[in-house]
Formats: sequence, C-alpha cells, structure tokens
Amino acid sequence: DAGITQSPRHKVTETGTPVTLRCHQTENHRYMYWYRQDPGHGLRLIHYSYGVKDTDKGEVSDGYSVSRSKTEDFLLTLESATSSQTSVYFCAISPNNQPQHFGDGTRLSIL
Amino acid sequence: AQKVTQAQTEISVVEKEDVTLDCVYETRDTTYYLFWYKQPPSGELVFLIRRNSFDEQNEISGRYSWNFQKSTSSFNFTITASQVVDSAVYFCALSEPRTTSGTYKYIFGTGTRLKVLA
Repeated sequence: DAGITQSPRHKVTETGTPVTLRCHQTENHRYMYWYRQDPGHGLRLIHYSYGVKDTDKGEVSDGYSVSRSKTEDFLLTLESATSSQTSVYFCAISPNNQPQHFGDGTRLSIL
Repeated sequence: AQKVTQAQTEISVVEKEDVTLDCVYETRDTTYYLFWYKQPPSGELVFLIRRNSFDEQNEISGRYSWNFQKSTSSFNFTITASQVVDSAVYFCALSEPRTTSGTYKYIFGTGTRLKVLA
C-alpha cells in the first residue's frame, strides 16, 4: 500500500469555524492532490501541489486554501467552513502521470 | 474541453452474469492516460488499470477486461462472471498534461455503482 495517511478521518464542526485537513505521505512523491467526493459529482479536484511551496487551483478551489511546507505534508484549510463544504475529502499522491494512490478519506460534516 | 462520461449511474446484476461498465472521454491531447478505480463500500479508492493513448491493446486480468477504442473515445470495463465482492462504485478517469506546472491533470467520471446480487 502507498504510504499515505489522512487526518482526521472524521470531523464534525460548525459553520464559520476554520478546519484543517492533513495529508501525510512517506513515498517522497512530488505530486499531491486534494479532491472532494459528492454524490453525482464523482471526484473533483480542489488543489494540487507539484512541489514544496508549489501549489495550484483545481476546479472547485473557492473557499479552500492549501499549503505544502515539506514534501511529505499537504494541508487543506477551510478558512470559514460552510455547509456546502460537507463532503468526503480524499488526498492523492502520484509520480506525475502514474496512477494516483489515494488516502482513506476524511468525512467532514459542517452543521 | 476534457471530460469523462459514465452514463450508467447504477447497474444491478445477478451473480455470475457478465457486466460492462461504459466510459467515454473527450480530450484534445494526443498523449493521455486512462484509468479505472474501484471504490468498495468501505470507501477507499483502489487503482485497477492504467492505459496510455498509444496502446489500444485490450487488457485482461482474471475476470476483468478492458476495451480501449480511440475511434469511439471509449474505455469500457467488463467483469466476467460477476461476484458479490465486485459490488462497488467504479470510476473512470483521464489524465493529460497540463500546459503549466509540468504535471498531469486528472478528470474523473461520476462513477457507476455496481450491485451484484447473490
């Protein structure tokens, strides 16, 4: 199994609070991704990183920010959570065009 | 624009039946990759296969087979003699190079939920 860990695995929080999700890898892969999964939408890319401090937006980046201060960690932050951000969040890693390997997901509920 | 369409939202079959999951993609690139992932009820995403745009050979792995046809922009997945353990959501995905950052862009279909009934 690819060494990728997401934390927390579950979180319930209130609207307006900040939330940070962590993705940690032990594979030393350059590329890391954050997706959200919602019924009827499949997986949609939020942000991705192609190196330390190198990040870019995906298709649904509004309301989200990311940081990557070291190769192994990629953080996703919801500055002020809204109910529309209730979702399952997946982190993925890959050596570019190779298959992405996914973490086990974080189920986030915003009340 | 790049797009992956999985028109079958949900399929139900009886165990031992064969089932084909359809995937149609759109891209303007000549170099791209196609993938299938499985998401069982436990929720994790499991990589099944990768195919590059220059390799149209069909692939067989046990009860699984994949048919890649560039002429119809399709990458269909067939499960032969389905089993209850095949019950899952299956995602087709396309990756192609980005013009910036040197990375690849991955686009996922919306998934097909397969239910295999005993």
